[in-house]
Amino acid sequence: GAVVSQHPSRVICKSGTSVKIECRSLDFQATTMFWYRQFPKKSLMLMATSNEGSKATYEQGVEKDKFLINHASLTLSTLTVTSAHPEDSSFYICSATPHETQYFGPGTRLLVL
Amino acid sequence: KNEVEQSPQNLTAQEGEFITINCSYSVGISALHWLQQHPGGGIVSLFMLSSGKKKHGRLIATINIQEKHSSLHITASHPRDSAVYICAATQNNNDMRFGAGTRLTVKP
Repeated sequence: GAVVSQHPSRVICKSGTSVKIECRSLDFQATTMFWYRQFPKKSLMLMATSNEGSKATYEQGVEKDKFLINHASLTLSTLTVTSAHPEDSSFYICSATPHETQYFGPGTRLLVL
Repeated sequence: KNEVEQSPQNLTAQEGEFITINCSYSVGISALHWLQQHPGGGIVSLFMLSSGKKKHGRLIATINIQEKHSSLHITASHPRDSAVYICAATQNNNDMRFGAGTRLTVKP
């Protein structure tokens, strides 16, 4: 089946620094990638939809200047959490879709100290 | 009201029991997903359904498009099935809406 990888799987950073998370589709080209965030004991929340070669579409309430998304190729999307704060600590998950099926990455756990 | 409702929120079962998790949705969808999240957080896609029924091992997923309802069944449950199961609906515009999840604990 289709495989989506995320890197890193875990990251700890200091408050005020920026963190980049990569999402790669390993064996298919993903025209669209999605970024989700999961708060503790909550379901996934869609942050933004990323289409290759165009600007990401952010969900209401998600700060586009804080969560920078780049989808430079059909197999790679990156999410950069800029000037991270402790409240940004969360589990970030990407998914990629060649058509309708979404294939999920394993997630990245971010802890901001 | 959430667009995707799951029940129950929490479920505890004894090993070997037959388990059913329900999902109702109010939006028009192109597909319905069942996801499994283990305590470490990683998410695995179990099924994607647009009609009928799918089976994989001890897992069965069904969907009734007219009633906007889907169920996930686990036969002969095992402690390793303990996880959070999430129902997600892909809308026709490819947006995804998630249920709150069902936390399943299977006791030996």
